[in-house]
Amino acid sequence: EPEVTQTPSHQVTQMGQEVILRCVPISNHLYFYWYRQILGQKVEFLVSFYNNEISEKSEIFDDQFSVERPDGSNFTLKIRSTKLEDSAMYFCASSPGNYNEQFFGPGTRLTVL
Amino acid sequence: AQSVTQLGSHVSVSEGALVLLRCNYSSSVPPYLFWYVQYPNQGLQLLLKYTSAATLVKGINGFEAEFKKSETSFHLTKPSAHMSDAAEYFCAVSDDSGGSNYKLTFGKGTLLTVNP
Repeated sequence: EPEVTQTPSHQVTQMGQEVILRCVPISNHLYFYWYRQILGQKVEFLVSFYNNEISEKSEIFDDQFSVERPDGSNFTLKIRSTKLEDSAMYFCASSPGNYNEQFFGPGTRLTVL
Repeated sequence: AQSVTQLGSHVSVSEGALVLLRCNYSSSVPPYLFWYVQYPNQGLQLLLKYTSAATLVKGINGFEAEFKKSETSFHLTKPSAHMSDAAEYFCAVSDDSGGSNYKLTFGKGTLLTVNP
C-alpha cells in the first residue's frame, strides 16, 4: 500500500542553523501539507500546498519557513534559522483531494539545541 | 473558523469494556470529520472519516463514530477494548471554506489506557 515517507526520522541541530525536512507524498496525490506537534500539545497546521503554490499558511509559518516541491516527487520544509521553540515533531501529509482524507508520514523529530 | 474540543485528555478503561472518546466541533460550513490514532513513536493513522454520507461511520479495528449535527458531536466508540487499542486519539475537522485547502484542525487528543 502506498505511504508517505519522511526523512530524516530525527534531526538535531544548533539554534540558528538551517534545516530541511524531506517528504515523499503518495504519487498521485494533489494536495500536500505540513503539520507540527510540539511535545505534549496538539497537532497544528503549518502550510498547505496545491498546484505548485502555497494555498494557505498559519501564523506559525513565518518568513523563516518555506516549502518546495522541487522535482515532482519530493516535498520539503525548510527552516532558515532554527529557534529553540521549533523543536517539535513535523508531519507531512498528502491527499488525493477526495473527501479531504489526508495520509500522514511517520514524522521527523526536530530537536533544536 | 473551525475548532475541535476533545473532552478528557486521558481515558482509562478495562480490557473488554466500552470505549467512548468524545469530540465536539465547530464549523461554519458542513464539516468533514476524522478520527486519527497515534501509537507511541509513530505517525497518525486514519481510523475513520465522516464525509456527509451515512451519519454512523465504521472504521478500522472495530471503531465507529456517529455524526450528530444537532449536538455538533462526533464521538468515537468501540464496544470492547483491547490492549492493543492503547494509544492517543485525535479528532479533526476539515471544511471547504478555504477553497482548495482542506486543512485539518485537530483536537488536543485523548490518551486511551487499557487495563488488563
